Amino acid sequence: NAGVTQTPKFQVLKTGQSMTLQCAQDMNHEYMSWYRQDPGMGLRLIHYSVGAGITDQGEVPNGYNVSRSTTEDFPLRLLSAAPSQTSVYFCASSLGAGTGELFFGEGSRLTVL
Amino acid sequence: AQSVSQHNHHVILSEAASLELGCNYSYGGTVNLFWYVQYPGQHLQLLLKYFSGDPLVKGIKGFEAEFIKSKFSFNLRKPSVQWSDTAEYFCAVLSGGSYIPTFGRGTSLIVHP
Repeated sequence: NAGVTQTPKFQVLKTGQSMTLQCAQDMNHEYMSWYRQDPGMGLRLIHYSVGAGITDQGEVPNGYNVSRSTTEDFPLRLLSAAPSQTSVYFCASSLGAGTGELFFGEGSRLTVL
Repeated sequence: AQSVSQHNHHVILSEAASLELGCNYSYGGTVNLFWYVQYPGQHLQLLLKYFSGDPLVKGIKGFEAEFIKSKFSFNLRKPSVQWSDTAEYFCAVLSGGSYIPTFGRGTSLIVHP
């Protein structure tokens, strides 16, 4: 019973490097989303998807790309990492857009030097 | 756009003390309400939720929350906290017609043994 799986759990990048945070869920959830969590800022929505082939921007999308080619996977891409992207990233999914009850992955801690 | 306010950013209690964490939202229509908990080093998980019906909802680990529509509030309570309740608590609101929950900035609770 895996739920929402995120990889990697920890990553250190240099400014300008690119990387992809992986997120997979095995619950056949339609809605998937990415958040970043920073001290004192709570959770901020980066991008979300209401189904395969459909993505949209959240509150803080700049510097990040997403795609949703399958129901299960929702990778988050950093094309050119910046120190301001140092954060903890959470992927979350729910059965359907509008149900609101989110299931979170365990998080990916990213440090950009 | 809807907003969610958690008034207490940091709360420090001794074991057996009573807890009440405030949550207010701005949307005036139908809402679904949630409290999530994040234990140190872990991902967020659902503590309790309100969709409709009895405005007093009970969650896991002895937590409860009361929806007061006239006050746009959904405060979290626990009569007697334990050291293991040390965590960050997030209130979230899903307004009618939206499929993206809005999170408050979180309240950090420290319980001293």
